Amino acid sequence: ETGVTQTPRHLVMGMTNKKSLKCEQHLGHNAMYWYKQSAKKPLELMFVYNFKEQTENNSVPSRFSPECPNSSHLFLHLHTLQPEDSALYLCASSQALYNEQFFGPGTRLTVL
Amino acid sequence: AQSVTQLDSQVPVFEEAPVELRCNYSSSVSVYLFWYVQYPNQGLQLLLKYLSGSTLVESINGFEAEFNKSQTSFHLRKPSVHISDTAEYFCAVKGGNMLTFGGGTRLMVKP
Repeated sequence: ETGVTQTPRHLVMGMTNKKSLKCEQHLGHNAMYWYKQSAKKPLELMFVYNFKEQTENNSVPSRFSPECPNSSHLFLHLHTLQPEDSALYLCASSQALYNEQFFGPGTRLTVL
Repeated sequence: AQSVTQLDSQVPVFEEAPVELRCNYSSSVSVYLFWYVQYPNQGLQLLLKYLSGSTLVESINGFEAEFNKSQTSFHLRKPSVHISDTAEYFCAVKGGNMLTFGGGTRLMVKP
C-alpha cells in the first residue's frame, strides 16, 4: 500500500450506532488531519495531530472523538451522530505541520 | 486572519477551450500557495504549488498558475481543457501555521 488509505470507503449508520473511521499513511509523515466535506460547504478542518499529539480541535462536537496511536494511524470514533453529520470525511498527512498535504480517498458517511 | 476566495463556484467550458479558475487570498504573512484537484468520489490531489522562486508554476497535465503578490492572486489556467479535467479545484494558502482552503470551483468540461 502506498500513500494515504482510508477504511471503510462507505458507511451507513443509525443515530445510535458507534463506528470508527480508520486512516493510515505510508509516507513517513509526522502530521495527520481529519477534514469534513459537505455538499455546498467549504472543506472543514476538524482535527490536527503532529507527532501523535493533538494540536487543533476546531470546535468539533464531542460525538466525534479522534485517536492517534502513532504517526502512521489516525482514527475517528463516531457515536450518536446526527443526520447533518452525513458527509465525506477526508484524512490527510504532511511531512511537517500544514505543509503540502496528501489526502486519502475519503469515507462517505451517511447517518440515517 | 487569513482567507481564500474562489470567486466562481462553477465554471462551464467547452472541450479544447481555455479556462481560468480564480483564487484570491488575504494574509498578513508570507505565504505558500497550492492548487488541489478532486475528481468524483476521490480525495484531493495536489496539482501544483508555489513555495518560492519563479512566480509561474506548472503541473504535469498542462495547468499553470501564476503568483501575483501585488494582486494577492494565484489563478489557475489551462490553454485547452479536456473532458477528463472535469473536477472540483481547490486553492489553498499556507501562512505561518495556518492552512486555509477556498470554497472550491467546479470545472465542467462539455463536449
